[in-house]
Amino acid sequence: EVQLVESGGDVVKPGGSLRLSCAASGFPFAAAWMSWVRQAPGKGLEWVGRIRNGGTTDYAAFVKGRFTISRDDSKNTIYLQMNSLKIEDTGIYYCKWEHNANYGYDDWGRGTTVTVSS
Amino acid sequence: QSALTQPPSASGSPGQSVTISCTGTSSDVGAYNYVSWYQQHPGNAPKVMIYEVTKRPSGVPDRFSGSKSGNTASLTISGLRAEDEADYYCSSNGGSDNLVFGGGTKLTVL
Repeated sequence: EVQLVESGGDVVKPGGSLRLSCAASGFPFAAAWMSWVRQAPGKGLEWVGRIRNGGTTDYAAFVKGRFTISRDDSKNTIYLQMNSLKIEDTGIYYCKWEHNANYGYDDWGRGTTVTVSS
Repeated sequence: QSALTQPPSASGSPGQSVTISCTGTSSDVGAYNYVSWYQQHPGNAPKVMIYEVTKRPSGVPDRFSGSKSGNTASLTISGLRAEDEADYYCSSNGGSDNLVFGGGTKLTVL
């Protein structure tokens, strides 16, 4: 059974940093392409970025160097390092396993909540 | 990358059919057969209902179907049931290795 468990969400002040984790099981993780998607309160879904097998990353334009996605295949885990956080970064952050490099079928975690507030 | 355009709301009575549209451009929806549809109930993570425009994951009722014409993809739900009331989002390969989502449609079963 595929399982994706996000963690690391917290309350942080504007300008602060946070690292989210996504622990995966039930599929060949080292070969997997993984994405982060976020959802602001009461709003829609927004793609943050993805990491390919091997570690190459792609990011949404709004990231602008503030966020970094990495992976540790020995721990079956991906990370989202978020720096210079803004109030508008508040929301639920989901990780998902991209079964296809072109964004076809996917599996999602349950998400972790990030609140940026002074 | 701009979001795909969905109607903010849709509705139908039990047993009826409803279609939700998702309009993009020739650079995303029109360029790729990688459109997905997600169902999200309050407090839950999104669940994929349709992927690659028309494919339905195992366990998803065949009342759900997808199609695409030009730059617009559509999700049709036939035989509406109360449990279909949820938010629905489309997504598409956006080109340049990006993924783009629609703004979401709130479906109400009357």
